[in-house]
Amino acid sequence: KQEVTQIPAALSVPEGENLVLNCSFTDSAIYNLQWFRQDPGKGLTSLLLIQSSQREQTSGRLNASLDKSSGRSTLYIAASQPGDSATYLCAVRRGAGGTSYGKLTFGQGTILTVHP
Amino acid sequence: ETGVTQTPRHLVMGMTNKKSLKCEQHLGHNAMYWYKQSAKKPLELMFVYNFKEQTENNSVPSRFSPECPNSSHLFLHLHTLQPEDSALYLCASSQGIGTTQDNEQFFGPGTRLTVL
Repeated sequence: KQEVTQIPAALSVPEGENLVLNCSFTDSAIYNLQWFRQDPGKGLTSLLLIQSSQREQTSGRLNASLDKSSGRSTLYIAASQPGDSATYLCAVRRGAGGTSYGKLTFGQGTILTVHP
Repeated sequence: ETGVTQTPRHLVMGMTNKKSLKCEQHLGHNAMYWYKQSAKKPLELMFVYNFKEQTENNSVPSRFSPECPNSSHLFLHLHTLQPEDSALYLCASSQGIGTTQDNEQFFGPGTRLTVL
């Protein structure tokens, strides 16, 4: 059974810092990995999606890397801003085979607070 | 309306009530999902529908009854719920499942359900 763990559970940083959020998963047979952002009481916004054949994806100040063999992904946020404050969720999509092909398994998230 | 919409946004119900959650996607997708997000727990997949057919039921109690009349609409009928069912219920859609376009899931804002 796939398990996804995110570290740290919470992070508080001053504005302007570069930071790294970590995600690890137990089953490397994944199709892709997705990072989401969730604001309090709201739905999820997709930030980056990395296919299993890719090593990283970038969007603006965000960079996500994937090391499938070691079961790890990191989300790097450059020059953090108060508006980045949210919960960041990592999810892996199961690869081919089995009845749950395509199923997303989520981590518990990292609660990020960026203070001015 | 664009993207994925959910109504109502907030719902308070007693254990003997019957209510329904509604989800609508305006993205032309073929797959729709229900997720449950409880406090302190990762997002849990409940149901998956592809082309109106249920393809996954993640051992969800029968007091939750999904309905997918067409590819754009998804309902979750609720009856005789328990207080521990209080959670944020999120709907999502994607182009397909289990294909090379298995795709990002796009999420709605969620319905915050409180069971008294």
